Amino acid sequence: QGHLVQSGAEVKKPGASVKVSCKVSGYTLSEFSIHWVRQAPGKGLEWMGGFDPKDGETFYAQKFQGRVTMTEDTSTDTADMEMSSLRFEDTAVYYCAISWPYGSGSSHWGQGTLVTV
Amino acid sequence: SDVLTQPPSVSVAPGQTARITCGGNNIGGKTVHWYQQKPGQAPVLIVYDDSDRPSGIPERFSGSNSGNTATLTIRRVDAGDEADYYCQAWDSSSDHLLFGGGTQLTVL
Repeated sequence: QGHLVQSGAEVKKPGASVKVSCKVSGYTLSEFSIHWVRQAPGKGLEWMGGFDPKDGETFYAQKFQGRVTMTEDTSTDTADMEMSSLRFEDTAVYYCAISWPYGSGSSHWGQGTLVTV
Repeated sequence: SDVLTQPPSVSVAPGQTARITCGGNNIGGKTVHWYQQKPGQAPVLIVYDDSDRPSGIPERFSGSNSGNTATLTIRRVDAGDEADYYCQAWDSSSDHLLFGGGTQLTVL
């Protein structure tokens, strides 16, 4: 059974960058897709982007294109999400989640990482 | 841009059937998933690929998708089903996913 463990909470100033890590066990990122989803306080879920190992491509929601970088290290089964130029409205819980194949539902989720700007 | 529209809230009496809709332009041409989220917890996948259930999800939960509406149906609702429910659609033409705004289910 898969397990996703995320890095700890972060507090950042506006304009700074943040990196959230997601360590995957029980799955290999060379076969499974990793997605990033965020949830602002009291708000709904927002898909940020995802990696499709089938063609090695990362897709970003238009809103985050150019400000978010998602990377995957298949040797350590760790995924990172880095966001730059942070704004107050980026305060949210950030989740990593895994799916197979890319467009299917995400069956396992990390515990979430609170980023406070 | 695409938008998925869910009712903000649905209320149902225990033992009855709850239906939560997810509206979108030609959503029937996309693949839809449903998640349940309880306060302070990560979402849980309850229906994927329009109508399949992950192992461990009761048969009371079912999904359908056609035309401009996808629907999550929860039969024999009980207090433990109180949660926020989100639809998610995958557009294979863009490889982008999108969440609906979420529906708060209240069991009366």
